[in-house]
Amino acid sequence: AQSVTQPDIHITVSEGASLELRCNYSYGATPYLFWYVQSPGQGLQLLLKYFSGDTLVQGIKGFEAEFKRSQSSFNLRKPSVHWSDAAEYFCAVGGRSARQLTFGSGTQLTVLP
Amino acid sequence: KAGVTQTPRYLIKTRGQQVTLSCSPISGHRSVSWYQQTPGQGLQFLFEYFSETQRNKGNFPGRFSGRQFSNSRSEMNVSTLELGDSALYLCASSFSGQGAGWYQETQYFGPGTRLLVL
Repeated sequence: AQSVTQPDIHITVSEGASLELRCNYSYGATPYLFWYVQSPGQGLQLLLKYFSGDTLVQGIKGFEAEFKRSQSSFNLRKPSVHWSDAAEYFCAVGGRSARQLTFGSGTQLTVLP
Repeated sequence: KAGVTQTPRYLIKTRGQQVTLSCSPISGHRSVSWYQQTPGQGLQFLFEYFSETQRNKGNFPGRFSGRQFSNSRSEMNVSTLELGDSALYLCASSFSGQGAGWYQETQYFGPGTRLLVL
């Protein structure tokens, strides 16, 4: 079985500060990894994904994530946060299928002016 | 290209009733998956359809069912509604064509249908 842990329920950062959201996964083989963002009342928007190859993945809105097999992690980073980044962020793993995702519990990001 | 559309966006039902939600995938996408999102359980996979066949099913009771039509549009049905079925129901589509690489399997989500059961 696959699982995802997002250890931080809520993170607060100041606008312009750097951001790192943590994600740890459990799966026997190399998984398919995703980060999605959800604004209030909205669906999920894909930020980036990792299938194979380069372990540093670039996404939209200036986000990047690094796959570390030894740590079973796929942390999301952004060098400078904007107020519009305030939202809930979900890490997801697709093991047997990239169409059957297991999501973490989400991290709520608050951005202070 | 238009994104994934879901109708209705909001729905209020009472316990014991049944409900049908609709999802139209991105044009050309053939796979549709459904997820339930609740504050307590988070995002949970319900089922996935491809070419009118259910390919995968999550751990939900038989009251939850779905189908897919020849145009790839999908519906999900919940019978005998319970209070705990109140949730945001999200639909996601992916290309999933024959010979598609994993890169094309990425799911794109719709805005969801918010169901309130009273």
